[in-house]
Amino acid sequence: AQKVTQAQTEISVVEKEDVTLDCVYETRDTTYYLFWYKQPPSGELVFLIRRNSFDEQNEISGRYSWNFQKSTSSFNFTITASQVVDSAVYFCALSGENTDKLIFGTGTRLQVFP
Amino acid sequence: NAGVTQTPKFQVLKTGQSMTLQCAQDMNHEYMSWYRQDPGMGLRLIHYSVGAGITDQGEVPNGYNVSRSTTEDFPLRLLSAAPSQTSVYFCASSLLIGQGRGGYTFGSGTRLTVV
Repeated sequence: AQKVTQAQTEISVVEKEDVTLDCVYETRDTTYYLFWYKQPPSGELVFLIRRNSFDEQNEISGRYSWNFQKSTSSFNFTITASQVVDSAVYFCALSGENTDKLIFGTGTRLQVFP
Repeated sequence: NAGVTQTPKFQVLKTGQSMTLQCAQDMNHEYMSWYRQDPGMGLRLIHYSVGAGITDQGEVPNGYNVSRSTTEDFPLRLLSAAPSQTSVYFCASSLLIGQGRGGYTFGSGTRLTVV
């Protein structure tokens, strides 16, 4: 069975702080795919990143970076120098080689205060 | 490029009423799915389909029905609405694994309230 755990329910930071959102996953598949989505207060789901299990390179996109570690089954997301516009719910999700289904974690609500 | 279109955006139903949430995509995606989002529970999969004529249950299928007569459309039917079905519903589509794993495209959601 596949499972995604986001243990942090809510995080509050002050603008310009760095913040890391944790994601731990479980799967028996050899090949799998990990995703992060952002859900701002407006409610839509915004795709941030997709990572294949065979590519363990970390990725940086502007203030966003992702740390994929197979050894600990984690795919953590760091926002550097957070801004108020980063306030949202962030979801980590997983799909496997044997299923097209996308399984979500319960999400982490990030509040960035000015 | 419309992507994934969901209608309606908002709906209020009385207990026992039935209705259909519409979902259409124009990207020729074989995979389509429905999720419900409830506070503290993330997005939970209701039903999904890997192509026209093929549907399967997800994590929380009870009280919902789906069909897939065309590649483009994947409606979700509430047979007899209950207050427990008050939620935000999202439709999503993607290519199949065999077509190359890309991202999942989500609709803008339907906020349903059952009174």
